[in-house]
Amino acid sequence: AQSVTQLDSQVPVFEEAPVELRCNYSSSVSVYLFWYVQYPNQGLQLLLKYLSGSTLVKGINGFEAEFNKSQTSFHLRKPSVHISDTAEYFCAVPANDYKLSFGAGTTVTVRA
Amino acid sequence: GAGVSQSPRYKVAKRGQDVALRCDPISGHVSLFWYQQALGQGPEFLTYFQNEAQLDKSGLPSDRFFAERPEGSVSTLKIQRTQQEDSAVYLCASSLAYANTEAFFGQGTRLTVV
Repeated sequence: AQSVTQLDSQVPVFEEAPVELRCNYSSSVSVYLFWYVQYPNQGLQLLLKYLSGSTLVKGINGFEAEFNKSQTSFHLRKPSVHISDTAEYFCAVPANDYKLSFGAGTTVTVRA
Repeated sequence: GAGVSQSPRYKVAKRGQDVALRCDPISGHVSLFWYQQALGQGPEFLTYFQNEAQLDKSGLPSDRFFAERPEGSVSTLKIQRTQQEDSAVYLCASSLAYANTEAFFGQGTRLTVV
């Protein structure tokens, strides 16, 4: 079954600094890849997804991710973070046609 | 409503008590999913419905867990004789299509078993 590994459990960052959250996937076939964000006491919100086509995917709130097949990675980036970006971020890959397999999550804490 | 709605948002249950968690998916969405999110972990798949048919319940941890979606819309996740290890956030998601190219999640129900 396909799976993802999030390499960082906690990422502290100062406001207006860039941030990168790392995600590696395990698959030898074509994949779909997702990044979700979970704000405190909220459900999951889709940030962006890669289905096919351009390897650079732009999402909401200024986030983007790059699909790299050779490195089996799908890292999430934002050039300048805000306090409001403090949240838990999850990388996910379909385990089959309908269910998602999530990473353990990366907690981003933005400080002024 | 505009999104997936779950109720209650918070539930405290005494060990051994039965609980029922409700999910109202986005109108017209064919697929409905339940996930369990333990503290500090990513969501784990519990079960999947396509309309009223429960096509996969492989993620349900034990036979104390039961889910239904009798009319292909609202779904209920029931946990009988709750145990402390059942404490988690239970997330419901729905999607328009059969494949999971985009699932919309509710805010979750945080269950605490004391």
